[in-house]
Amino acid sequence: LAKTTQPISMDSYEGQEVNITCSHNNIATNDYITWYQQFPSQGPRFIIQGYKTKVTNEVASLFIPADRKSSTLSLPRVSLSDTAVYYCLVEGSSASKIIFGSGTRLSIRP
Amino acid sequence: SQTIHQWPATLVQPVGSPLSLECTVEGTSNPNLYWYRQAAGRGLQLLFYSVGIGQISSEVPQNLSASRPQDRQFILSSKKLLLSDSGFYLCAWSPGMNTEAFFGQGTRLTVV
Repeated sequence: LAKTTQPISMDSYEGQEVNITCSHNNIATNDYITWYQQFPSQGPRFIIQGYKTKVTNEVASLFIPADRKSSTLSLPRVSLSDTAVYYCLVEGSSASKIIFGSGTRLSIRP
Repeated sequence: SQTIHQWPATLVQPVGSPLSLECTVEGTSNPNLYWYRQAAGRGLQLLFYSVGIGQISSEVPQNLSASRPQDRQFILSSKKLLLSDSGFYLCAWSPGMNTEAFFGQGTRLTVV
């Protein structure tokens, strides 16, 4: 399984756009990139998944360059409620297990 | 719609006592099932996963075991708890590979 690397923590302010980048240099051809959000004392919640280029939903956008060795989760106009840990995962078609890394602890200030 | 149930929400157990945490999924069939543990301030550690009844894959050697007696039931057990078994235990399911995983509410286990 491809290993992911993301910043340990990030700070931002309400109303700002936040971009969290994840590197996954060993991503395989059949791997997908998935992001989850976790609040304290809760299980992670799926945010977005992509394979290449750009994916957008009502919550976030995911940008994946052509070489797919990194990806960027973009949260538009964050609010205090976006304070959480964000996990980047690379999920391959060759295995059923889902491995979480350490995540990025995002803190949003007023 | 699919739902996942995990209980209990909190549990305090003495060292050396047994453990049984149960997780059930409704509204789907043949799900992939997962058990994770999360220490305070840390990421999720995958403990076990299962792709079918009786099929259990263990990720890390530990004082725990898992069983899947029915298609939508996943049980985490221990014969004798250690202090180091304390943590937040999460059960999850997914329809298959490269699909969204859905998590239960978690069990906070404190071994004293």
